[in-house]
Amino acid sequence: DAGITQSPRHKVTETGTPVTLRCHQTENHRYMYWYRQDPGHGLRLIHYSYGVKDTDKGEVSDGYSVSRSKTEDFLLTLESATSSQTSVYFCASGSVGYTFGSGTRLTVV
Amino acid sequence: DQQVKQNSPSLSVQEGRISILNCDYTNSMFDYFLWYKKYPAEGPTFLISISSIKDKNEDGRFTVFLNKSAKHLSLHIVPSQPGDSAVYFCAASANEGAQKLVFGQGTRLTINP
Repeated sequence: DAGITQSPRHKVTETGTPVTLRCHQTENHRYMYWYRQDPGHGLRLIHYSYGVKDTDKGEVSDGYSVSRSKTEDFLLTLESATSSQTSVYFCASGSVGYTFGSGTRLTVV
Repeated sequence: DQQVKQNSPSLSVQEGRISILNCDYTNSMFDYFLWYKKYPAEGPTFLISISSIKDKNEDGRFTVFLNKSAKHLSLHIVPSQPGDSAVYFCAASANEGAQKLVFGQGTRLTINP
């Protein structure tokens, strides 16, 4: 099923450059989330949204910003990428037992 | 501080036997618990959940047990099948509207033929 898609799937970027990751859902879900997955940490919440233009911080929000101008789209921006932001990023949407996208592997060199 | 902990990074089980994955939590405000399964290069997929008002929830081969006094939950898979080989994450929520999940580190389960 293609209820939630992320782009790009892979990206390599240089330290100090801005990066935007995109998440698109077709389920008309109110809630959307961005997580990062790192070894030894599981998944950690970066930001979440509870409606258009309504967003809030998660556990590891420093260095990240988000925007949600439409119900179906949730963007994650790294204003100035650092090597510590090398990670796999997952978007999700829904409420109980929500659905995750396939992830974006970001490498900051 | 890790509010949700999975202390076993890996587990190996014979096909057909029972797999038991464990998870501990520290935050007494958590009232909803979930298990996710993750294959390589894919996103986590929801497996089973349990509310804090219950102590057991069953769905086919998967059963989750919750011991609130011990702040411990476990996932039982029986019988284990080769397709169950994956990384399993437990997660918890304080159910404040948006379901902001706190995840454990994950346990890699390998089912041997």
